[in-house]
Amino acid sequence: DAGVTQSPTHLIKTRGQQVTLRCSPKSGHDTVSWYQQALGQGPQFIFQYYEEEERQRGNFPDRFSGHQFPNYSSELNVNALLLGDSALYLCASSSTGWPETQYFGPGTRLLVL
Amino acid sequence: GQQLNQSPQSMFIQEGEDVSMNCTSSSIFNTWLWYKQEPGEGPVLLIALYKAGELTSNGRLTAQFGITRKDSFLNISASIPSDVGIYFCAGLNSGNTPLVFGKGTRLSVIA
Repeated sequence: DAGVTQSPTHLIKTRGQQVTLRCSPKSGHDTVSWYQQALGQGPQFIFQYYEEEERQRGNFPDRFSGHQFPNYSSELNVNALLLGDSALYLCASSSTGWPETQYFGPGTRLLVL
Repeated sequence: GQQLNQSPQSMFIQEGEDVSMNCTSSSIFNTWLWYKQEPGEGPVLLIALYKAGELTSNGRLTAQFGITRKDSFLNISASIPSDVGIYFCAGLNSGNTPLVFGKGTRLSVIA
């Protein structure tokens, strides 16, 4: 049973560019949440997708957008990249209903130069 | 945004020693989760707690959900070198709300 997978593992971009990160949830899970983890910090919630719609959003600008596909996989898009967007981007999957637990993928390390 | 208070920030211990870390919040949670993260990897779920007062073990790890629902602790017994990493607590209220994380406890084990 595959766990949560993310691609790519690493990415280098320059300021102003756009980036797309991808996530496939754990088998049987229908909800995907995205988090940003800066160095030395805990993960910060970006948004959550369920039934192909954004269900919750954290305190992130509109430059951060996402999408969920019918197979429950998800994409995170970041436009007009800033140096401060450099971080580890984590995807977590969960299933509606009990138990309420989120499982994380290995993350995508984004470096903005 | 909301963040949990996790302590200590870091620990240096001898192999074989027991470890205790805790997490507190100003608001209540219905679920407490403990994760371990190693360099360059995503957090790995260690223990999930769903009921106030619940005490749950996973091998050498034991965690408790505080009675007030505002705190939780994690104990590691007889530490070994592979316990090295950053331990995060996270609170959750319902499946469609985000996890709220602490800043982590960095554990170093000296052989």
